[in-house]
Amino acid sequence: DAMVIQNPRYQVTQFGKPVTLSCSQTLNHNVMYWYQQKSSQAPKLLFHYYDKDFNNEADTPDNFQSRRPNTSFCFLDIRSPGLGDAAMYLCATSPDGAGGSTDTQYFGPGTRLTVL
Amino acid sequence: SQQGEEDPQALSIQEGENATMNCSYKTSINNLQWYRQNSGRGLVHLILIRSNEREKHSGRLRVTLDTSKKSSSLLITASRAADTASYFCALQGNQFYFGTGTSLTVIP
Repeated sequence: DAMVIQNPRYQVTQFGKPVTLSCSQTLNHNVMYWYQQKSSQAPKLLFHYYDKDFNNEADTPDNFQSRRPNTSFCFLDIRSPGLGDAAMYLCATSPDGAGGSTDTQYFGPGTRLTVL
Repeated sequence: SQQGEEDPQALSIQEGENATMNCSYKTSINNLQWYRQNSGRGLVHLILIRSNEREKHSGRLRVTLDTSKKSSSLLITASRAADTASYFCALQGNQFYFGTGTSLTVIP
């Protein structure tokens, strides 16, 4: 089945130790998104790729970076995790981010990051 | 904030009752979507309504959109225990934002 896969599902890192979360998709969608979701809050968009074009949200800290080496894979790098970065990180894809009916987003199960 | 505001924040109903949650927003939109999130999981798309549509149905779901009032509602009829989840509206305009969410509990 076509899907969005996130690995690992649970990640524990130490304060200040770089960590990479991965996302892959078999949907062949143009757009891939990374969201941060803290407990009992709405998902917050960090950035997205429209094909190879990277779009960073204005308030996303520099500590968060992303890479999309090909259509199928997208990575979230947290260069120096702080305690406040503990959250669920959600990856999503959509066929087209142009504001039309194809904007439905398909989410992965998320990676829960713990920072010790 | 350009987030959608949802109310109520939390809703608890008996199985078989209807559940209504509302989303209000501030900016113009191209479409509005509703998503469900089970505890600790990713979001699942439920329904999309375009800015030129007023009402849409999908199974037990009914969504309305009033662009003049910048508001939408999601109605779940004949609720089931399996409907227990958080529900988020999502606004697609120049940018994409989720609403604050409604936590629904359906008591068997």
